[in-house]
Amino acid sequence: DVKVTQSSRYLVKRTGEKVFLECVQDMDHENMFWYRQDPGLGLRLIYFSYDVKMKEKGDIPEGYSVSREKKERFSLILESASTNQTSMYLCASRSLGKETQYFGPGTRLLVL
Amino acid sequence: DQQVKQNSPSLSVQEGRISILNCDYTNSMFDYFLWYKKYPAEGPTFLISISSIKDKNEDGRFTVFLNKSAKHLSLHIVPSQPGDSAVYFCAASARSNTGKLIFGQGTTLQVKP
Repeated sequence: DVKVTQSSRYLVKRTGEKVFLECVQDMDHENMFWYRQDPGLGLRLIYFSYDVKMKEKGDIPEGYSVSREKKERFSLILESASTNQTSMYLCASRSLGKETQYFGPGTRLLVL
Repeated sequence: DQQVKQNSPSLSVQEGRISILNCDYTNSMFDYFLWYKKYPAEGPTFLISISSIKDKNEDGRFTVFLNKSAKHLSLHIVPSQPGDSAVYFCAASARSNTGKLIFGQGTTLQVKP
């Protein structure tokens, strides 16, 4: 079974703080993704990575950056957290050439 | 511009009856479609998929139908069970274009005992 883990299930941060969300997958998948889920908006892609040290902007990259130094780990960074970044953050991974993405349990972030 | 739309935010059905969840898309380049199920406080889990070369795919109680001319797909759950109560997302990809998934807004299904 594919396992995607995220470092925290719940986080509370202050406006202006730098926030790190970590994601690890154990299936040697090349592709990894970060989404946020908001009510009525579905899942929106923030950033994705085809392979180590490669990254591409998704649909809503503003205010975020990412890092992929190792194949199994994909980090999402909120440079200066704002209240409009309060959301559920979901990480996913996928094997090259396959369409199905496998998701982690999510991190619910509250920015005060 | 919402390329994948689930126009019904919620659906309520009786246990044992059929649940039909609908999804419309606008991009004719989409050639692969997936349904995910999501419980509260958990990540989405893959349910079933269909390629654009097919018009139907079945897996147990779940069947996905694709109507390319109408740019419409639907997920049928028969018979519905209380454990099916969750949010269902449809997603689409154009494999020629990086294979990114575009998700709909989701439909909350409630199956009443």
